[in-house]
Amino acid sequence: GENVEQHPSTLSVQEGDSAVIKCTYSDSASNYFPWYKQELGKRPQLIIDIRSNVGEKKDQRIAVTLNKTAKHFSLHITETQPEDSAVYFCAASQEYTGNQFYFGTGTSLTVIP
Amino acid sequence: DAGVIQSPRHEVTEMGQEVTLRCKPISGHNSLFWYRQTMMRGLELLIYFNNNVPIDDSGMPEDRFSAKMPNASFSTLKIQPSEPRDSAVYFCASSFSGPQETQYFGPGTRLLVL
Repeated sequence: GENVEQHPSTLSVQEGDSAVIKCTYSDSASNYFPWYKQELGKRPQLIIDIRSNVGEKKDQRIAVTLNKTAKHFSLHITETQPEDSAVYFCAASQEYTGNQFYFGTGTSLTVIP
Repeated sequence: DAGVIQSPRHEVTEMGQEVTLRCKPISGHNSLFWYRQTMMRGLELLIYFNNNVPIDDSGMPEDRFSAKMPNASFSTLKIQPSEPRDSAVYFCASSFSGPQETQYFGPGTRLLVL
């Protein structure tokens, strides 16, 4: 099955700096890569996703890049704010083999004011 | 829309007891997912329904776990008998059509098995 690895497990940045979280996946058939944000004690919420037919997607301060050849994808947050502090999960999914959905282990991001 | 609704929000039970978790997906969504979240194992997909039919239950840990979706607006996850290692937060999520659309998570049920 698919194996999704996520790094780093914890990340601290100063407010206004950028944060980058990286994930790798093992199954080249995976074709959908969402990112979820989970604040302490809350539910995960989708913040951005990318499909395998594009290499980059942007939404305001958040961007995701995908390298299909290397089988890795990254979340970029620019101009970080304290409210960006949360745990971020990447995931990988493939459509044709039972629709399994695999999450990374999460990155705890702390934005220091 | 109220979003995905889960009940109970918290459950404390003793080892060996039966536990039933409930979920009401967002109206109009035809896919429903049950996840388990623990510190050790992170977020794990347990089972996925599409149009009330279980599509993939390969994530269900063992026979003690069972899930049903009798209609489009209700699903249950049952653990019988429960064990302390089942203690976790259980999330239900729904999407309009399959796992490759935005999944909307419920608030979760925090289960503690003593």
